[in-house]
Amino acid sequence: QVQLVQSGAEVKNVGASVRVSCKTSGYSFTRYPMHWVRQAPGHGLEWVGWINTDTGDTRSSQKVQDRVTFISDTPATTVFMELRRLRSEDTAVYYCATNAFDFWGRGTMVIVSS
Amino acid sequence: SYELTQPSSVSVSPGQTARITCSGDILANKYGRWFQQKPGQAPLQVIYKDTERPSGIPERFSGSSSGTTVTLTISGAQVEDEADYYCYSAADNTVGIFGGGTKLTVL
Repeated sequence: QVQLVQSGAEVKNVGASVRVSCKTSGYSFTRYPMHWVRQAPGHGLEWVGWINTDTGDTRSSQKVQDRVTFISDTPATTVFMELRRLRSEDTAVYYCATNAFDFWGRGTMVIVSS
Repeated sequence: SYELTQPSSVSVSPGQTARITCSGDILANKYGRWFQQKPGQAPLQVIYKDTERPSGIPERFSGSSSGTTVTLTISGAQVEDEADYYCYSAADNTVGIFGGGTKLTVL
C-alpha cells in the first residue's frame, strides 16, 4: 500500500535552514509528482510547492519561492523540501501529498524560534 | 494572484443538508477539490474534479460547480462530519491555492 513517511519535528532559529523528508513506498516513485502543503498553528492550509519526481521540474508559491528548494531522490524514493532563511511565520506543520492528493504524510512540525 | 473565498463557518443540525461554497475566478476554468480536516489529522480529499468522489468517501458528500463557484454538499450531515473543509484549485495544473477554510459544526 502507498505510504508517505515524513521526518521528525524540527526546532530551528530564525535565519537557519530546515530540510524535511518524505519517504515513499508502495507505488512507482517517478509516476506521481509530490506537493508540499503547510499549516501554521490555528490557521488554514497553504500550498507551498510541487516537484515532478520524473523530470525534477518544480513550482512554488510566491511567498516562499526565493527560499525553498525541492529535491527528488529516485533511488531512495524520497522527496525533500529545504526552506532557508527561516522566519517565525514559517512555523507550521509541513505535509507531503501525492499529486492527486490521494495520499498524505502525517506531517512534520517545524518550529522557528527567535 | 488568485484567491478562493469560503465562508468561515457553517452550522447545521444532524440530518440536515450542509452546503459550503468556494468562489474564485480560477474556478471558471479549473477544477476544484475539497478536503476535510479533523483536529490533529492530515487532510482527506472528499471531492475532486468538482464533482467526483474518491473511493471510500460516503455518498452523502457531493460536489457541484457553476461559473466561478464550487459547492460541497453534505446531504444528511452526521456528527462525525464536523470538521474544517478546504477547497483547492490549481493554476496551469501545478501552482496551487487553498481557500481559507470553513468550520462545519453539526449539532
